[in-house]
Amino acid sequence: DIQMTQSPSSLSASVGDRVTITCRASQGISNYLAWYQQKPGKVPNLLIYAASTLQSGVPSRFSGNGFGTDFTLTISSLQPEDVATYYCQKYNGAPYTFGQGTKLEIK
Amino acid sequence: EVQLVESGGGLVQPGRSLRLSCAASGFTFDNYAMYWVRQAPGKGLEWVSGISWNSGSVGYADSVRGRFTISRDNAKNSVYLQMNSLRGEDTALYYCAKDSVTQDGMDVWGQGTTVTVSS
Repeated sequence: DIQMTQSPSSLSASVGDRVTITCRASQGISNYLAWYQQKPGKVPNLLIYAASTLQSGVPSRFSGNGFGTDFTLTISSLQPEDVATYYCQKYNGAPYTFGQGTKLEIK
Repeated sequence: EVQLVESGGGLVQPGRSLRLSCAASGFTFDNYAMYWVRQAPGKGLEWVSGISWNSGSVGYADSVRGRFTISRDNAKNSVYLQMNSLRGEDTALYYCAKDSVTQDGMDVWGQGTTVTVSS
């Protein structure tokens, strides 16, 4: 099975910073990659699909990039409400594995 | 309003069974694949199982294959997860989630139902 590895596992940044989270697949998955945001105590929320397409309603400061095995999620200007854990997920075939998550905090 | 409501969780002894249900509303249920995702206390998300719109294709995580069975009843707008031979490591919050319109990710999630496996 394809493994999904995120880095870093945790991240602390200041409001207004540019933040990048990386997700690596152990084999190529084309662009079948989604990103989710899970705020503390809340249900996960789909942010980005097809590696780079922003889900409706998601702020434009979020962006995604990548193809094959290497992907990134970028927040162009970190806001206090972005405190959350972020997960990548492959969906090019079962199992639809998630990365282990990246916990983002405000410095 | 699009909504998913899970039920059926609870405290169960190791080795016993439990059946989770997810009731869907607010969308054409039989147009979409459905999924179960779980989250152990303080841990990350784990994809558990998925089922296509017509039940023709199902998939499981290695950790549950052979013990869990996913099914759906389109007439009742519901998806189910039959969990047998439960183990302590199955303790988690179990979410039901809906496939997106473009089949790119899970765009609607329920609030989850908690399963605790303990003697």
